[in-house]
Amino acid sequence: DIQMTQSPSTLSASVGDRVTITCRASQTINDWLAWYQQKPGKAPNLLIHKVSHLHSGVPSRFSGSGSGTEFTLTISGLQPDDFATYYCQQYSTYSGTFGQGTTVEVK
Amino acid sequence: EVQLLESGGGLVQPGGSLRLSCAASGFTFSGYAMGWVRQAPGKGPEWVSSIRGDGGRTYFADSVKGRVTVSRDNSKSTLYLQMNSLRAEDTAIYYCVKRDYFDATGYAPLWEYWGQGTLVTVSS
Repeated sequence: DIQMTQSPSTLSASVGDRVTITCRASQTINDWLAWYQQKPGKAPNLLIHKVSHLHSGVPSRFSGSGSGTEFTLTISGLQPDDFATYYCQQYSTYSGTFGQGTTVEVK
Repeated sequence: EVQLLESGGGLVQPGGSLRLSCAASGFTFSGYAMGWVRQAPGKGPEWVSSIRGDGGRTYFADSVKGRVTVSRDNSKSTLYLQMNSLRAEDTAIYYCVKRDYFDATGYAPLWEYWGQGTLVTVSS
């Protein structure tokens, strides 16, 4: 099965910061990469699919990039609502494995 | 508005069984692959099982294969997960999830909508 590895596990940041989260796949997944945001006690929400396509209603400060096995999620101008845990997910195989998560916390 | 409402979770002893249900509304249920994703306390999401919109094919994670069956009743817009021989490591919140794309016979595990989840606790 394809393994997804995120870094860092925790990221301390302030409102207004530019934040970057990295996700690495154990083998190529082409463009089948999604990002989710999860807040405590809630289900994950789809943010980005196919590497860089924002899901409906997602603010433009979120962006995704990458190809093959290396991908990034960038938040340009962190807002108070963005403190949460972020997961990458590959969906090139039927299992759709998730990364272990990156928590963006208040610095 | 898409709604996914899970039920059936609870406390069960190791070796026991549970049947989870997910009542869906707000979309043409039979046109979408559906699935179950679980999340253990403090861990990332883990895909469990999926089923095509037409019910013609099912998929299972290795961790549950042989112990779990997934089914759907398109006439009732309801998804099910029958879990047997439950283990402590099956303890998690189980989310019902809906694929992003209308395709009754296709499948890709991109989950656009998630339910609120139902907690399954396996403990003696």
